[in-house]
Amino acid sequence: GAVVSQHPSRVICKSGTSVKIECRSLDFQATTMFWYRQFPKQSLMLMATSNEGSKATYEQGVEKDKFLINHASLTLSTLTVTSAHPEDSSFYICSAPGPKGTEAFFGQGTRLTVV
Amino acid sequence: GENVEQHPSTLSVQEGDSAVIKCTYSDSASNYFPWYKQELGKRPQLIIDIRSNVGEKKDQRIAVTLNKTAKHFSLHITETQPEDSAVYFCAAKPGSARQLTFGSGTQLTVLP
Repeated sequence: GAVVSQHPSRVICKSGTSVKIECRSLDFQATTMFWYRQFPKQSLMLMATSNEGSKATYEQGVEKDKFLINHASLTLSTLTVTSAHPEDSSFYICSAPGPKGTEAFFGQGTRLTVV
Repeated sequence: GENVEQHPSTLSVQEGDSAVIKCTYSDSASNYFPWYKQELGKRPQLIIDIRSNVGEKKDQRIAVTLNKTAKHFSLHITETQPEDSAVYFCAAKPGSARQLTFGSGTQLTVLP
């Protein structure tokens, strides 16, 4: 099956700093990638859709300037949490549609802790 | 857009019993319905999926049924084992959409 690799798996940062999370499709090209946020014992909440070569599409209520998304190539999308605050602490996970276009393949997720 | 509701939110069963998780969807154009299993701190993994041209699909102890008229689909796990304990998510995707819409998840606990 298709493989999506996400890094880092865990990160602890100080309040006010920025953190970059990478999501790579290893054996297929992904013109679209999705970024989710997951709180403990809750579902996957779509934050934004990353589009290769164009601007990301953000879901309602998600701050574009705080969660910067870049999809510079067909295999890499990045999410940068800018000026992080403790309330940004969460599990962030990316996914990409597989070669068949339907099934979603997920990255390993990133546990972000802002202290 | 699509809206997916999932029940129950928690489910405990004895080892060897069956578990059933149900989901309903709102968009009649949805034609793809996957189920994901997520263990604590890990990525969701696809365990089974069904398309709208099929009413039932089975893979060993796991089966999914789809009722297009009623717009609901269910996951059935038979002969449950402790390693089945995890959070299970259903999802739906209209043919025109790029992303899946997920249900709220079900925490399944299989008691030894």
